[in-house]
Amino acid sequence: DIQMTQSPSSLSASVGDRVTITCRASQSINTYLNWYQQKPGRAPKILIYSASSLQNGVPSRFIGSGSGTDFTLTIVSLQFEDFATYYCQQSYSNPRTFGQGTKLESK
Amino acid sequence: QVHLQESGPGLVKPSETLSLTCTVSGGSIDSNYWTWIRQPPGKGLEWIGYIDFSGSIFYNPSLKSRLTISLDTSRNRLSLRLNSVSAADTAVYFCARYDSTSTYSFDAWGQGTLVTVSS
Repeated sequence: DIQMTQSPSSLSASVGDRVTITCRASQSINTYLNWYQQKPGRAPKILIYSASSLQNGVPSRFIGSGSGTDFTLTIVSLQFEDFATYYCQQSYSNPRTFGQGTKLESK
Repeated sequence: QVHLQESGPGLVKPSETLSLTCTVSGGSIDSNYWTWIRQPPGKGLEWIGYIDFSGSIFYNPSLKSRLTISLDTSRNRLSLRLNSVSAADTAVYFCARYDSTSTYSFDAWGQGTLVTVSS
């Protein structure tokens, strides 16, 4: 199985901040990397697919980058509604696997 | 806009079988992969497995021996059966669509249903 490791596990930030979350795969996954946002009591929502493509309807302040084993999700100007937990997920091979999540909290 | 809705018992006894159904509306089930994902309370996401309309199935090896996923294309329904459950199977269970042609992501989700394993 491909292990996905996110850092940090939690992060405190303020509205307007630039925030970066990293995700590392245990082997190369090309750009088969997706990012999801999950709010309490809700299902995850796709933000970024194929490492850097923005899902329809997702604000452009969410930026994904990376390839191979190292990936980042950047929120360029944090908004109140962005406080949530973020997960990376690889679609390179089965079983599909997720990172452990990064909880983004208000400072 | 595709809509997914999970249904099934919220409480299952240890050693018994967990059975869930996901009804898909607003879109065809005869494309893409249809997926089960779970999330134990306060923890991360675990992919359980998925199936496509042709019957091609992939299971998480960690659950494979206890798991059956099926698809009823005539009724637009996805099903999950997990045998011999224990407290470790307590989780919110989500069904989701995996876009296998464009984004290679889980791009539509049900709201999730909490299943508690307890006597």
